[in-house]
Amino acid sequence: AQSVTQLDSQVPVFEEAPVELRCNYSSSVSVYLFWYVQYPNQGLQLLLKYLSGSTLVESINGFEAEFNKSQTSFHLRKPSVHISDTAEYFCAVTPVDGNKLVFGAGTILRVKS
Amino acid sequence: DAGVTQSPTHLIKTRGQHVTLRCSPISGHKSVSWYQQVLGQGPQFIFQYYEKEERGRGNFPDRFSARQFPNYSSELNVNALLLGDSALYLCASSLFPTGGSYEQYFGPGTRLTVT
Repeated sequence: AQSVTQLDSQVPVFEEAPVELRCNYSSSVSVYLFWYVQYPNQGLQLLLKYLSGSTLVESINGFEAEFNKSQTSFHLRKPSVHISDTAEYFCAVTPVDGNKLVFGAGTILRVKS
Repeated sequence: DAGVTQSPTHLIKTRGQHVTLRCSPISGHKSVSWYQQVLGQGPQFIFQYYEKEERGRGNFPDRFSARQFPNYSSELNVNALLLGDSALYLCASSLFPTGGSYEQYFGPGTRLTVT
């Protein structure tokens, strides 16, 4: 079985400041890792994913995440946040040969002006 | 192209009643998954269907059932509703069901309130 822990339930940050949203996972088998974003009253949107290869993955809107196998982590970072980044962010894993996503409890990112 | 659509958007039911939620996947997608998102928690996997066959089931009671139709749309049924069934129900579609290579696209969800 897999489990995902998002260490912060809420992260307040000022606009243009850097941010890190932490994610740790547990699994006895190899997994793929994902970050999803959920804006108010909307469904989930895939932000970025790690399947294989380079451990650093990037999104088109400036977020990046690094897969650290030894620490079983997949932290999400952005060097400079915007007001529009305010949303809830979910870390998720799925077994490489599995068919379901296991999500963390989510981290609410609040960007203040 | 239209994304994943779900109906209804909101629903209020009374304890003990039955509810049916509907999902239409992205055109060409053959796999549909259902997730329950209780307020303040991450989504929890309920079911996955592929080519009308159940391919996975989460840790939910038998009151929850689902099916997939020949056009790949899907229904989630919940019987004998409990207050704890109040949640956002998310549908996700993908080309195929396995692993992370095939991205799951989520719909906007159906907000179910049980009173």
